[in-house]
Amino acid sequence: SQTIHQWPATLVQPVGSPLSLECTVEGTSNPNLYWYRQAAGRGLQLLFYSVGIGQISSEVPQNLSASRPQDRQFILSSKKLLLSDSGFYLCAWRNRVAYEQYFGPGTRLTVT
Amino acid sequence: KQEVTQIPAALSVPEGENLVLNCSFTDSAIYNLQWFRQDPGKGLTSLLLIQSSQREQTSGRLNASLDKSSGRSTLYIAASQPGDSATYLCAVSHGYTGNQFYFGTGTSLTVIP
Repeated sequence: SQTIHQWPATLVQPVGSPLSLECTVEGTSNPNLYWYRQAAGRGLQLLFYSVGIGQISSEVPQNLSASRPQDRQFILSSKKLLLSDSGFYLCAWRNRVAYEQYFGPGTRLTVT
Repeated sequence: KQEVTQIPAALSVPEGENLVLNCSFTDSAIYNLQWFRQDPGKGLTSLLLIQSSQREQTSGRLNASLDKSSGRSTLYIAASQPGDSATYLCAVSHGYTGNQFYFGTGTSLTVIP
């Protein structure tokens, strides 16, 4: 069966510090991968998606970036965090046949 | 651009009651619709996926229906239990790319024992 991992689970970072969140998927190959952000009381905002290694599409211009160095690894980064980057970050992968999406457990980021 | 709306934003029901959650979308040219459950501080758990060619899907006490032409989906929960308390989200995807999922803002359900 497929499993998706995210770490860390929680993170508290000062403004201006760098960020690296990691997501890995097990049990499938060549998945579509997604990064979402969920701010308090708001819906899910798609940040990035990837259809293959090194292929990244950005949905929202911001100080975040994403990379996919391996087939089942997706990384969300920032060089300098802003207060507005606080939120719940979710990684997801998509089944290429049925297009069903599966989500990881999320990372709670607080920028202070 | 696709817009997905879920009404009501919050719902409170006594245990044992049957209930319906609503999801509406503005662009009917969808590939599929997916219902999720989210517990506080957790990721999303997939409940049901309905392909655009289907009218409904069932899993246990859950039944989801889809009416593409009217841009609506409902999630029916039978005999609600306190463990059903969570936020329920719907999401639609569009066909040929399928790379984007559009989410509603969710319905927060509380089942009172």
